[in-house]
Amino acid sequence: ETGVTQTPRHLVMGMTNKKSLKCEQHLGHNAMYWYKQSAKKPLELMFVYSLEERVENNSVPSRFSPECPNSSHLFLHLHTLQPEDSALYLCASSRRQPPAPITYEQYFGPGTRLTVT
Amino acid sequence: DQQVKQNSPSLSVQEGRISILNCDYTNSMFDYFLWYKKYPAEGPTFLISISSIKDKNEDGRFTVFLNKSAKHLSLHIVPSQPGDSAVYFCAASAPGTDSWGKLQFGAGTQVVVTP
Repeated sequence: ETGVTQTPRHLVMGMTNKKSLKCEQHLGHNAMYWYKQSAKKPLELMFVYSLEERVENNSVPSRFSPECPNSSHLFLHLHTLQPEDSALYLCASSRRQPPAPITYEQYFGPGTRLTVT
Repeated sequence: DQQVKQNSPSLSVQEGRISILNCDYTNSMFDYFLWYKKYPAEGPTFLISISSIKDKNEDGRFTVFLNKSAKHLSLHIVPSQPGDSAVYFCAASAPGTDSWGKLQFGAGTQVVVTP
């Protein structure tokens, strides 16, 4: 499945580093999402973008900064992270605006496994 | 507060038998439910969904049942195959009230299908 791609797949960073996660969708969708999955926990929604506009920010700390330059690309900029931010970060997309039929299913990328040391 | 709960963290089933995964929810505004399957090192893959206007949806070996009064849904896999070994997530959405389609996920159930 190459509908939603994420890079890098693995990332190890120190607490003072700055890095970015990238997500790209090739499905013609117009909404994109960032999720965090920590061990033994449900997926937690972080951000929602629709037509490049952020429509949801789920009380995420400011050390996570999303960017959506167009409907196919989504970034998550990371700086001064904490060890507890180590997790799997998943990007997803869906079709949430007409004229195309609206769908409720979200399609996920493979994720970026982030380790903060 | 977790609105979608999968109380069984793991399930072991013999190949050829039925796998039954359960999911409970607390928010009565949820009206669309989905099941996702996740292999290690991959993102969740959409499996099957059901709208609250139905109580059953079937797709090949996969059937989802919805009991709105009990706020309970289940996924049946028949017959189970070794390739079904994965983590299964239940998710719920309230598209009638939330236009951005936010999904609430359960914690997942690890299914192991043994030969």
